[in-house]
Amino acid sequence: GAVVSQHPSRVICKSGTSVKIECRSLDFQATTMFWYRQFPKQSLMLMATSNEGSKATYEQGVEKDKFLINHASLTLSTLTVTSAHPEDSSFYICSAFRGLDEKLFFGSGTQLSVL
Amino acid sequence: AQKVTQAQTEISVVEKEDVTLDCVYETRDTTYYLFWYKQPPSGELVFLIRRNSFDEQNEISGRYSWNFQKSTSSFNFTITASQVVDSAVYFCALSEGAYTGFQKLVFGTGTRLLVSP
Repeated sequence: GAVVSQHPSRVICKSGTSVKIECRSLDFQATTMFWYRQFPKQSLMLMATSNEGSKATYEQGVEKDKFLINHASLTLSTLTVTSAHPEDSSFYICSAFRGLDEKLFFGSGTQLSVL
Repeated sequence: AQKVTQAQTEISVVEKEDVTLDCVYETRDTTYYLFWYKQPPSGELVFLIRRNSFDEQNEISGRYSWNFQKSTSSFNFTITASQVVDSAVYFCALSEGAYTGFQKLVFGTGTRLLVSP
């Protein structure tokens, strides 16, 4: 079964609202999680590295005030898209690293559609 | 800077054909990992393989095999006797450096594989 749970799988919202996406590691602790964005038929682009107990590290070109990341516990990281606009519509995927066997697991993704 | 190139955007084959997906990478690190992931229509990324830069042995797992050649910076993936269920987008990815724990991945643009009956 899945070891990384991501919710919601799909969300439709109005322009100007904020949307929160959760990423949970189900049976292991993840001090570091990653958030990716994927446009239709394109590759995954790393947005930020989420570090438990500290600020996230954002990739160049990613607005940290637009994409708020909170890694409040060793099993949960959240990505909040603030004041969403149609151009934020995309597929967002999180990943978590399991140190026990050094494997990186991905969530099932969240399809965000901003109207 | 690290970069992964998957030159094949889309490949169409008929069931039972063999197919090879190409992956070429660039990195300045001597220590790195290479990955292949499968993304079916459902969207979830499915881990297929991880190979570290010091292990050039080719690997076979059932119908899947991987050919890692540092001399050409390539990590190609072959599916033997393809099946319809193999239809998906396949991503090659690179992670640099032992210090980072090989967690931060840079993905190629993906190759869409269509296997028809």
